[in-house]
Amino acid sequence: QKEVEQNSGPLSVPEGAIASLNCTYSDRGSQSFFWYRQYSGKSPELIMFIYSNGDKEDGRFTAQLNKASQYVSLLIRDSQPSDSATYLCAVNLLSSASKIIFGSGTRLSIRP
Amino acid sequence: DADVTQTPRNRITKTGKRIMLECSQTKGHDRMYWYRQDPGLGLRLIYYSFDVKDINKGEISDGYSVSRQAQAKFSLSLESAIPNQTALYFCATSGGVRTGELFFGEGSRLTVL
Repeated sequence: QKEVEQNSGPLSVPEGAIASLNCTYSDRGSQSFFWYRQYSGKSPELIMFIYSNGDKEDGRFTAQLNKASQYVSLLIRDSQPSDSATYLCAVNLLSSASKIIFGSGTRLSIRP
Repeated sequence: DADVTQTPRNRITKTGKRIMLECSQTKGHDRMYWYRQDPGLGLRLIYYSFDVKDINKGEISDGYSVSRQAQAKFSLSLESAIPNQTALYFCATSGGVRTGELFFGEGSRLTVL
């Protein structure tokens, strides 16, 4: 079992709709969770981080964390064509505070 | 200038050759990382380092070695390159207020023929 799992997609969402991206992790004691966005040919960039159970909102983005179920999700409201990218979930493992493991990424496509 | 600089950006080499990818940073971060990216596999951790004297294996360290020459420099070596090491390699740093926030270089594309 991979430590961090995501559906690879592609996920196709109409412009203006909500895009929902999911991630599960295996290390129950993990404390920190991140969503990175990667445009084709570019480096990943951090868009959201969450440490506590519940929701965290930043503009059109909402990160949701459920430690009991070991999943973290990212919601993108009012999806725009510029949101088309690969979204990478990353987890900071409890076993090492600096060991950061990524999922395989979900490719998101926003159709006009 | 970029905060995290990788050289070379592109490299084509032959099977069995030794290759070194270099990373330098001006962010003053202690933690540095090397990841490999293959299509559909996301980013896989090769090695990471807390400081000059602390180096740790990641998920896929076999066939790779690293050197932390200074706080700002972290090099990745392939002693004898093989075709399945063809990939995009990213260096990243961490050390800001948000533990776990990574700052990436622009990537080094390596092709092993």
